[in-house]
Amino acid sequence: AQSVAQPEDQVNVAEGNPLTVKCTYSVSGNPYLFWYVQYPNRGLQFLLKYITGDNLVKGSYGFEAEFNKSQTSFHLKKPSALVSDSALYFCAVRDMNTGGGNKLTFGTGTQLKVEL
Amino acid sequence: DAGITQSPRYKITETGRQVTLMCHQTWSHSYMFWYRQDLGHGLRLIYYSAAADITDKGEVPDGYVVSRSKTENFPLTLESATRSQTSVYFCASSAPGDYEQFFGPGTRLTVL
Repeated sequence: AQSVAQPEDQVNVAEGNPLTVKCTYSVSGNPYLFWYVQYPNRGLQFLLKYITGDNLVKGSYGFEAEFNKSQTSFHLKKPSALVSDSALYFCAVRDMNTGGGNKLTFGTGTQLKVEL
Repeated sequence: DAGITQSPRYKITETGRQVTLMCHQTWSHSYMFWYRQDLGHGLRLIYYSAAADITDKGEVPDGYVVSRSKTENFPLTLESATRSQTSVYFCASSAPGDYEQFFGPGTRLTVL
């Protein structure tokens, strides 16, 4: 079965510094990977996805993610963090099983805190 | 309004009562999903539906019932609520082959 792991419950970074939120995956076959963001008392919002092609994927709000097949990772990055980026971030992978349809498996989430 | 909506946004109920959470989407997406979000567990899939009248269990279906008589609606019923079902519930939808899911604002349910 497919899975994703987010090894850090919380990441703290100073505003203006680069940020990285880590995600590793385990799937058989080629993975479809996603990042979502959740602001307080809101639903999840799609940030970006990797299905095929360029290993560096660009998404919303200046975020990008790098797909690394050899390390089975899909880390979320941003060159310069903003206080407004503070939120809960989820990595997800598509269910690759036959009949999995559009199901996604989510990680446990990483709380990003950007401080002045 | 276009999009995906959930009602109610907040609900307090008592153990043993039946509760129905509503989900409505205006995109005519064929896929719809129900998740619960709990600290330390992330999002866990309760039930999903590939189309009207087609539903299937997810990771944590026990104690829940779903139906989907119309494409746009996907209600989730707790037949006899328990305290362990206190959680935030999210509905989502997606189009076939697109995999990106669109989420509703959530329902915060408290079972006393």
